[in-house]
Amino acid sequence: DSGVTQTPKHLITATGQRVTLRCSPRSGDLSVYWYQQSLDQGLQFLIQYYNGEERAKGNILERFSAQQFPDLHSELNLSSLELGDSALYFCASSVGTGVSYNEQFFGPGTRLTVL
Amino acid sequence: AQSVSQHNHHVILSEAASLELGCNYSYGGTVNLFWYVQYPGQHLQLLLKYFSGDPLVKGIKGFEAEFIKSKFSFNLRKPSVQWSDTAEYFCAVNAPGGSYIPTFGRGTSLIVHP
Repeated sequence: DSGVTQTPKHLITATGQRVTLRCSPRSGDLSVYWYQQSLDQGLQFLIQYYNGEERAKGNILERFSAQQFPDLHSELNLSSLELGDSALYFCASSVGTGVSYNEQFFGPGTRLTVL
Repeated sequence: AQSVSQHNHHVILSEAASLELGCNYSYGGTVNLFWYVQYPGQHLQLLLKYFSGDPLVKGIKGFEAEFIKSKFSFNLRKPSVQWSDTAEYFCAVNAPGGSYIPTFGRGTSLIVHP
């Protein structure tokens, strides 16, 4: 158990819908990262938040957005869902955002299926 | 931009065989290197990491990796695999001075037959 929790574990929805994935980082970790894992794309970095502020952006679609709340949990919002958005979405956390702190701890993931 | 290549996409071994998974990265400066493992149905876990010092790094569960700067490589090794090593293995590279976001390789699926 990494200490990072994600809900829900599984999500099945239809195209065009909107979903919210939730992540709670390890106690004391200020950075939260979101990744998308699919068979054809591997593990793709989406976005990072540090202490409530967006810190880095990766291959995140405009239909996707995220935020980190004062209690440091984070939510990833996926809207206008397409079949290709079906994937495993991981959240990871780390203590900080500098080189000494970039060991990441991953949550169990949310498996999203878009029908 | 940095990139990571894992040349072996699928590896099948028998128990007690030796394992070496390749990882090459493209970045000319100082790097931090990681190997993560993802057991079936589980989250990614850190196997080992290299920040500086001895280029031969020992991790958990008998794994080790060697950083060879001249070859831009960080190969993962285990002298004798077990059935329980069946998992997906990911190499990741982070370049200090950048965004500090690790770039992951595509992963290598290892199946160990008992």
